[in-house]
Amino acid sequence: GDSVTQKQGQVTLSEDDFLFINCTYSTTTYPTLFWYVQYPGQGPQLLLKVTTANNKGISRGFEATYDKGTTSFHLQKASVQESDSAVYFCALVGGNYKYVFGAGTRLKVIA
Amino acid sequence: EAGVTQSPRYAVLQEGQAVSFWCDPISGHDTLYWYQQPRDQGPQLLVYFRDEAVIDNSQLPSDRFSAVRPKGTNSTLKIQSAKQGDTATYLCASSFGQNTGQLYFGEGSKLTVL
Repeated sequence: GDSVTQKQGQVTLSEDDFLFINCTYSTTTYPTLFWYVQYPGQGPQLLLKVTTANNKGISRGFEATYDKGTTSFHLQKASVQESDSAVYFCALVGGNYKYVFGAGTRLKVIA
Repeated sequence: EAGVTQSPRYAVLQEGQAVSFWCDPISGHDTLYWYQQPRDQGPQLLVYFRDEAVIDNSQLPSDRFSAVRPKGTNSTLKIQSAKQGDTATYLCASSFGQNTGQLYFGEGSKLTVL
């Protein structure tokens, strides 16, 4: 079945640092890939959606692309702020329309 | 527009007790999902519906978990005879259409089984 692997459990940065979070995915179809963000006490909310390999999704200063050749999907931001502290999940929807989420990366930004 | 509403927000049970979680999706959303999110893990799909029909419940522990959506709107997830391993946040999400669109999540129901 479809799967996503998100190995970075926690990332700690200082304000204005560069953020890079990576996922790898596995699917037998053309995937749609997402990044969701979850703040404490809330459900996940959509941050970015990317439907085509090598195309960028951009939202709130975050960028995401996926590479079909390496089956990797990453999220980056040039300059993080303390308010970006949250848990970031990559997710995949494959041919069966089921969402599969990664384990999440907890980002802590120190002012 | 109102978001996805879940209740209760918190539940604390002893092992062997039962609990029901209720979800009211966004109006007009025909697809409804229940996810289980253990602490420090990603959401894991339990079951999802299109209107009142179950589309996939393959990850639902059928001996103790059940879910219904009788009129294709609100939904209830019930856990009979809860176990400590059921401790998690139960998230409801909705979307329009069985497609690759955005999921809208509720705030979740946090269950602790002692």
